[in-house]
Amino acid sequence: NFILSQPHSVSESPGKTVTISCTRSRDSIASNYVQWYQQRPDSAPRTVIYEDNQRPSGVPDRFSGSIDSSSNSASLTISGLKTEDEADYYCQSYDSSSLWVFGGGTKVTVL
Amino acid sequence: EVQLLESGGGLAQPGGSLRLSCAASGFTFSSYALSWVRQAPGKGLEWISTISGSGRDTYYADSVKGRFAISRDNSKSTLFLHLNNLRAEDTAVYYCAKVTTGFGYWGQGTLVTVSS
Repeated sequence: NFILSQPHSVSESPGKTVTISCTRSRDSIASNYVQWYQQRPDSAPRTVIYEDNQRPSGVPDRFSGSIDSSSNSASLTISGLKTEDEADYYCQSYDSSSLWVFGGGTKVTVL
Repeated sequence: EVQLLESGGGLAQPGGSLRLSCAASGFTFSSYALSWVRQAPGKGLEWISTISGSGRDTYYADSVKGRFAISRDNSKSTLFLHLNNLRAEDTAVYYCAKVTTGFGYWGQGTLVTVSS
């Protein structure tokens, strides 16, 4: 089984850029796609990045995703931070034994 | 527009049972796998079960294997989760989700509370 590790929280000022990491404990981060979900308070999650770096329609291009094989991690970057971006963010991936796995979530605070 | 609407949550006693439903619309229901994901109060997301589009293949997290059963009725575009032998730690909001590469679409969730 594998684990996806995320920082517990990050904070930044409006207009700035924040990057959230998601590190895979075993096997290559590139072996299965990574998705990112945004969950605002008292709301259901919604996808902001799928297949490592693809944005669903309706998600602003301020959101971008990437993977880095050297650190075996994925990253979600939010640029031009807005107060509406304040939420919990979860990464998620898959393998044939663990099946679907979520990271523990990162709380983004816009100061 | 894809819509997923869960129902069936509520209060159950330890050892009791519940059946959750998820009514789907806006896509070809039988063509997609569907999943249940739960979130305990103040905690993160936990995948618990997935069923293939045909219903033939099912998958469970170890935390619910043997106690929960996923099923679907493709004629009614409805997904189910049968929760048996409930425990206090099953208290959570239960979301149904359409499986694409990950979980492309989510319902609004239904709250299950297990308490005596």
